[in-house]
Amino acid sequence: GNSVTQMEGPVTLSEEAFLTINCTYTATGYPSLFWYVQYPGEGLQLLLKATKADDKGSNKGFEATYRKETTSFHLEKGSVQVSDSAVYFCALSDWENLFFGTGTRLTVIP
Amino acid sequence: NAGVTQTPKFQVLKTGQSMTLQCAQDMNHNSMYWYRQDPGMGLRLIYYSASEGTTDKGEVPNGYNVSRLNKREFSLRLESAAPSQTSVYFCASSDSSGLINQPQHFGDGTRLSIL
Repeated sequence: GNSVTQMEGPVTLSEEAFLTINCTYTATGYPSLFWYVQYPGEGLQLLLKATKADDKGSNKGFEATYRKETTSFHLEKGSVQVSDSAVYFCALSDWENLFFGTGTRLTVIP
Repeated sequence: NAGVTQTPKFQVLKTGQSMTLQCAQDMNHNSMYWYRQDPGMGLRLIYYSASEGTTDKGEVPNGYNVSRLNKREFSLRLESAAPSQTSVYFCASSDSSGLINQPQHFGDGTRLSIL
């Protein structure tokens, strides 16, 4: 069945460090892929998405490229800020259901 | 600029009690969703409503009922609460232009504890 696996956290980085959070998926057909972010005490927000292979989603300095050959959608940011501290969820939609990863907690220290 | 509003934010219940979680959105979205979030399990879909007057089961519907009262409101009811339903509940909505089950806006959550 369809599923998403993301790297377990927590991840702790210093400000301005490079961020990668790995996400791989298992799916039949051609799913859409998403990253959501959850700031402390808040609900999830859609961060970025990609709907077909080789698409790159980007928002707020974050990027992720839909790689069909490696079934991956890794989240990257070149220089993280303290305000990026949050839990990040990778998700997959097969047009009927949305499957979430378990989340990766990122803490950025000054 | 409220977005998705959930009430209450916190609730403690005794086993067997009932309660309704309320959710309203002011974005004129067609689709609304209820999720529960548990440690190490991500978010799991309980029920969703693709349009006013329709509801469908998600991944974990047992022990819950929903009502899509109108386009704005989508409530979640626990008829007889059980400790296994202790969780954080999120309501979400989307305009779902063609993509079912792609929530775009989430409420801030309801933290529910059942003793």
